[in-house]
Amino acid sequence: DAEITQSPRHKITETGRQVTLACHQTWNHNNMFWYRQDLGHGLRLIHYSYGVQDTNKGEVSDGYSVSRSNTEDLPLTLESAASSQTSVYFCASSGLTSGGTNEQFFGPGTRLTVL
Amino acid sequence: SQKIEQNSEALNIQEGKTATLTCNYTNYSPAYLQWYRQDPGRGPVFLLLIRENEKEKRKERLKVTFDTTLKQSLFHITASQPADSATYLCALSLSGGYNKLIFGAGTRLAVHP
Repeated sequence: DAEITQSPRHKITETGRQVTLACHQTWNHNNMFWYRQDLGHGLRLIHYSYGVQDTNKGEVSDGYSVSRSNTEDLPLTLESAASSQTSVYFCASSGLTSGGTNEQFFGPGTRLTVL
Repeated sequence: SQKIEQNSEALNIQEGKTATLTCNYTNYSPAYLQWYRQDPGRGPVFLLLIRENEKEKRKERLKVTFDTTLKQSLFHITASQPADSATYLCALSLSGGYNKLIFGAGTRLAVHP
């Protein structure tokens, strides 16, 4: 069965370190998204990609970067981790359905703690 | 400013009753609206989608309405069960196809036996 996976599931790091969160999907979807979820804020979009070599900034992109070198993977990098980036991170993917809609499929999440 | 608002308070209901969750938005013109379910420690799961030109959509015990004049969607779960306890998120798509989604903060539903 097709799926979307994230690794690691839990990560503790120190302020100033570079951290990369992995996201891998086997749906063959063109669209991939990274969100962070914090209490009271719901899901906020960090970066997204509509295909290989395409990346776009979301509403909370400062301090994060992504690259898309193939269809399956969209790693999220925190250039210099800050305590404000402690959060749960979700990756999602979507493809255009026959009905022209774009429901998203989510990974299990990565809980990141920055000390 | 643009906003999506869902009931911030948790919704507590008795098993067997109908749960009604609200999603209100301002300064958006969504092409369609989606509802997701999220269980603790897990990613959201897609439930239903309703287009701007549709008034109502049903799937088993779930019903969604969409009123573009009121800028509101209602999500109903009939004959609710304790297994329906979760957080429910609404999300707007501003146009069809590849566009990204904008999520509300979610409403936590607790169904008591």
